[in-house]
Amino acid sequence: EDKVVQSPLSLVVHEGDTVTLNCSYEVTNFRSLLWYKQEKKAPTFLFMLTSSGIEKKSGRLSSILDKKELFSILNITATQTGDSAIYLCAVGVNSGGSNYKLTFGKGTLLTVNP
Amino acid sequence: DTEVTQTPKHLVMGMTNKKSLKCEQHMGHRAMYWYKQKAKKPPELMFVYSYEKLSINESVPSRFSPECPNSSLLNLHLHALQPEDSALYLCASSQDPRRAGYNSPLHFGNGTRLTVT
Repeated sequence: EDKVVQSPLSLVVHEGDTVTLNCSYEVTNFRSLLWYKQEKKAPTFLFMLTSSGIEKKSGRLSSILDKKELFSILNITATQTGDSAIYLCAVGVNSGGSNYKLTFGKGTLLTVNP
Repeated sequence: DTEVTQTPKHLVMGMTNKKSLKCEQHMGHRAMYWYKQKAKKPPELMFVYSYEKLSINESVPSRFSPECPNSSLLNLHLHALQPEDSALYLCASSQDPRRAGYNSPLHFGNGTRLTVT
């Protein structure tokens, strides 16, 4: 059975802090690892990672994948209250033919206090 | 707001009702998905449609019946649901099923919050 484990499950920080969120996985037929941010409604896409060691950046957020050690981290620098959300890690696997599906971790609830 | 539109936003139905959830995207995506998300839990995959054909059914009970009338629309027909089926139902789409996982992330709609009484 495919597994995606995120840590910590929750985190409380102050504005301006830097945070690192972790995601490890054990899956068959790995194709990609994705990070999403979920506030009240739809998960919004942050990053998709397919290659080891290549950092992806978007503003204060960055992420990197290690396919040898089977994990990824999501970094957020200079956190703001608007970063408060659940951060979901999902691993995409090929489930036969051209079928692709995402398995989600339980998420990290990040709370940024002013 | 996302480019994947779901209606209705909220739905309350009795256990004997028949209702449908609708999802629409105009991004030219050829893979569409239904996920179910319970409170404080991650989304769980229900169905995948690839080029308008059902390609994955994650052993979902038959009281949930998906339908993909064309490449832009995805429906989920509901009949004889149970209170434990109350959840947020999320629709998602991705660009090209053959390239999904390489350059084609899933884009989610805002969901339908379903309550079964």
